[in-house]
Amino acid sequence: DAKTTQPPSMDCAEGRAANLPCNHSTISGNEYVYWYRQIHSQGPQYIIHGLKNNETNEMASLIITEDRKSSTLILPHATLRDTAVYYCIVSSSNDYKLSFGAGTTVTVRA
Amino acid sequence: DGGITQSPKYLFRKEGQNVTLSCEQNLNHDAMYWYRQDPGQGLRLIYYSQIVNDFQKGDIAEGYSVSREKKESFPLTVTSAQKNPTAFYLCASRLGTGDTGELFFGEGSRLTVL
Repeated sequence: DAKTTQPPSMDCAEGRAANLPCNHSTISGNEYVYWYRQIHSQGPQYIIHGLKNNETNEMASLIITEDRKSSTLILPHATLRDTAVYYCIVSSSNDYKLSFGAGTTVTVRA
Repeated sequence: DGGITQSPKYLFRKEGQNVTLSCEQNLNHDAMYWYRQDPGQGLRLIYYSQIVNDFQKGDIAEGYSVSREKKESFPLTVTSAQKNPTAFYLCASRLGTGDTGELFFGEGSRLTVL
């Protein structure tokens, strides 16, 4: 079963930042937070992951709270091509059973 | 190029028939996974394999079978015992022990039972 909770859907205006929340209140000390996105009828694509510190790459930023019980994925300037389902999962390097929840359906509107 | 190849992309089957979906990776990854996705829903884990000749049931293994005879291959058989096999099937791989790396997914196989 998924160890994370995400809102089922959210809308975002094109050009604005999209902030996607994820709750993982039972996260263990050695578990990372991973984000993926799935554009319709394609395989999911990795976005970013982090353990404690905030992370940034060319796609997004990941903000993890100090208690690590929640995180936020930030798409700094959302485009129409960012419309997708976004999944947040937690796992450690020794955790092979990787379960996904339903994710958040993000719709970017012009 | 390195990646995961799933085939066929589309497959039609009559009720009562078994069908095997192929998944091949050339990433030298130890771990491989099969997920099922129904319309408007998330991914559900069917089976996973940590290493060659070993695999474990996921959350919805009933009606499915797998094998892992080679590191690069992890085929999934949808048997006649699977009551609602029509779905989108995704294969993924991950480097393995000690790695914090991400899952790499194939492009999926869409199975329709007629």
